[in-house]
Amino acid sequence: KAGVTQTPRYLIKTRGQQVTLSCSPISGHRSVSWYQQTPGQGLQFLFEYFSETQRNKGNFPGRFSGRQFSNSRSEMNVSTLELGDSALYLCASSLNLQGTDYNEQFFGPGTRLTVL
Amino acid sequence: DQQVKQNSPSLSVQEGRISILNCDYTNSMFDYFLWYKKYPAEGPTFLISISSIKDKNEDGRFTVFLNKSAKHLSLHIVPSQPGDSAVYFCAASALTGNQFYFGTGTSLTVIP
Repeated sequence: KAGVTQTPRYLIKTRGQQVTLSCSPISGHRSVSWYQQTPGQGLQFLFEYFSETQRNKGNFPGRFSGRQFSNSRSEMNVSTLELGDSALYLCASSLNLQGTDYNEQFFGPGTRLTVL
Repeated sequence: DQQVKQNSPSLSVQEGRISILNCDYTNSMFDYFLWYKKYPAEGPTFLISISSIKDKNEDGRFTVFLNKSAKHLSLHIVPSQPGDSAVYFCAASALTGNQFYFGTGTSLTVIP
């Protein structure tokens, strides 16, 4: 079974631009979560989608948005990029995070975003 | 507000010895805990988990201990191997939630 894939792997943008990152979950997984990883901050939760609906959102400004398609693929968009947005963005999929099923998340390799 | 904390950013251990990585949490609603391992340029990979109905879970060289009263969990690796050198993240969630909370990670170096 193929793992979680993320594209692109590396991205360089300048301040003020916008960026779209893509994530394809493991086949059959309907929950997709996005995280931002910066040195010393661990993995900061951005949002989680399940069946095309955003179920939960972390404490990030509205410049960070996402969506999920009917095939469970997800995209994350960051508008008006700032220098502080430089980070590794990780996507993780699972069968479902909610309810009685405890399912670990499977992570993609991440997209390394550099904002100049 | 960091609900899951890993207070040791780094740890060095001799090959063959025990590695103990610690994690503390503040939210008493958390009832499921996981450890992930991350190599550079890769995403985290799931290592081991434990639910709050247990105080210990073992998988080969890896054992996770949970002390609910102290809101503390630890990962023991015995014996440690050079290939274990990586960043280890602990994570926690609540049954009623749909979000995992991650610690800031501990970088483990196993010295041959």
